[in-house]
Amino acid sequence: EPEVTQTPSHQVTQMGQEVILRCVPISNHLYFYWYRQILGQKVEFLVSFYNNEISEKSEIFDDQFSVERPDGSNFTLKIRSTKLEDSAMYFCASNLAINGAGNSPLHFGNGTRLTVT
Amino acid sequence: TQLLEQSPQFLSIQEGENLTVYCNSSSVFSSLQWYRQEPGEGPVLLVTVVTGGEVKKLKRLTFQFGDARKDSSLHITAAQPGDTGLYLCAGEGMNRDDKIIFGKGTRLHILP
Repeated sequence: EPEVTQTPSHQVTQMGQEVILRCVPISNHLYFYWYRQILGQKVEFLVSFYNNEISEKSEIFDDQFSVERPDGSNFTLKIRSTKLEDSAMYFCASNLAINGAGNSPLHFGNGTRLTVT
Repeated sequence: TQLLEQSPQFLSIQEGENLTVYCNSSSVFSSLQWYRQEPGEGPVLLVTVVTGGEVKKLKRLTFQFGDARKDSSLHITAAQPGDTGLYLCAGEGMNRDDKIIFGKGTRLHILP
């Protein structure tokens, strides 16, 4: 069964450094997402991406964050200058259908654990 | 702002017992999804409920969507240690561009 893959599985970086988290969504999916989960807390929406542009972003997704789909398969999340509070699991997800249709469950990758020291 | 409240937050019960976890909101959703998350992994979809009042069964798991499409429940019959995990509900908004939002989850631990 096709799956969403994320790399790396664990990234350790120093405060102030830039990180790029990579994802390969399921190939025929149209919508791509980044969510994050701080240890012990809920899964939080960061951004959704459709048709090569951001369709929605949360208040967490400030100017330090950016997303890109550089080619037909990869979907990346960049954090320009990491802060301690950016430490979390970052999940990429994708789905096929338009929201509201009830047939657009998210398919998640296994996440990248980002540790900012 | 749409919010999903899950209860209980933690539940530890003996193997063989039945349990119900709840997912509630003041907002109406076009669908609710239940995911299960194992440590170190991403959430995995269990079921999607779409119609108010809908009931779906997945082996010993029974999912129900409230008539008003504001709440959902997950009932597990004769819980097994393999049911241990974090159960997340997620709601899909009514509008085309609404993001899917998650509750905080119920951490379930089944004791052998």
